[in-house]
Amino acid sequence: AQSVTQLDSHVSVSEGTPVLLRCNYSSSYSPSLFWYVQHPNKGLQLLLKYTSAATLVKGINGFEAEFKKSETSFHLTKPSAHMSDAAEYFCVVSPTGGGNKLTFGTGTQLKVEL
Amino acid sequence: DAGVTQSPTHLIKTRGQQVTLRCSPKSGHDTVSWYQQALGQGPQFIFQYYEEEERQRGNFPDRFSGHQFPNYSSELNVNALLLGDSALYLCASSFGGRDEQFFGPGTRLTVL
Repeated sequence: AQSVTQLDSHVSVSEGTPVLLRCNYSSSYSPSLFWYVQHPNKGLQLLLKYTSAATLVKGINGFEAEFKKSETSFHLTKPSAHMSDAAEYFCVVSPTGGGNKLTFGTGTQLKVEL
Repeated sequence: DAGVTQSPTHLIKTRGQQVTLRCSPKSGHDTVSWYQQALGQGPQFIFQYYEEEERQRGNFPDRFSGHQFPNYSSELNVNALLLGDSALYLCASSFGGRDEQFFGPGTRLTVL
């Protein structure tokens, strides 16, 4: 079985300050982990993925995430938030390979204020 | 290169009716997965099609069925609609189950 827990349902930051969205996972095998972003009335866009290579993963739009097996965490970070980052973010786990069933977290709504 | 496309964009049905949603995968992809996203929730896996067969299924009743065509496009059918079936239905495509999934914009289904 596999699951993800997103520790914050809402996060609010000021523009230009760092972003941290937290995710813990549970998996009985070596997982693939993803972060997806969903802007209002839009589909899901892949930000980044971890598939057992480098533990620090860089994605699009300046986002990155670090896989920490000892902490079963895969937190998403960005050094400086932009207004356009305001959206819903989902942490996702899958069997290695990623093309199989994706299990989504409940999402974190990121608000970016001036 | 067209991404994943879905039709229709929006749909309104009444309880007890049946609905068919359609999905065309990204060029070069042969696997299609369907997800249901209720308001304020993360997407939930419904099922996945590969080589015109259902390969995996999530925890959804038999009222939810699907089909994949030889050109890899897919349909999701829901019978005997319930109010609780109101959601955004997302289609995702991938290649051979070995890569990340690319999502379409979704179909918003409202059941009255």
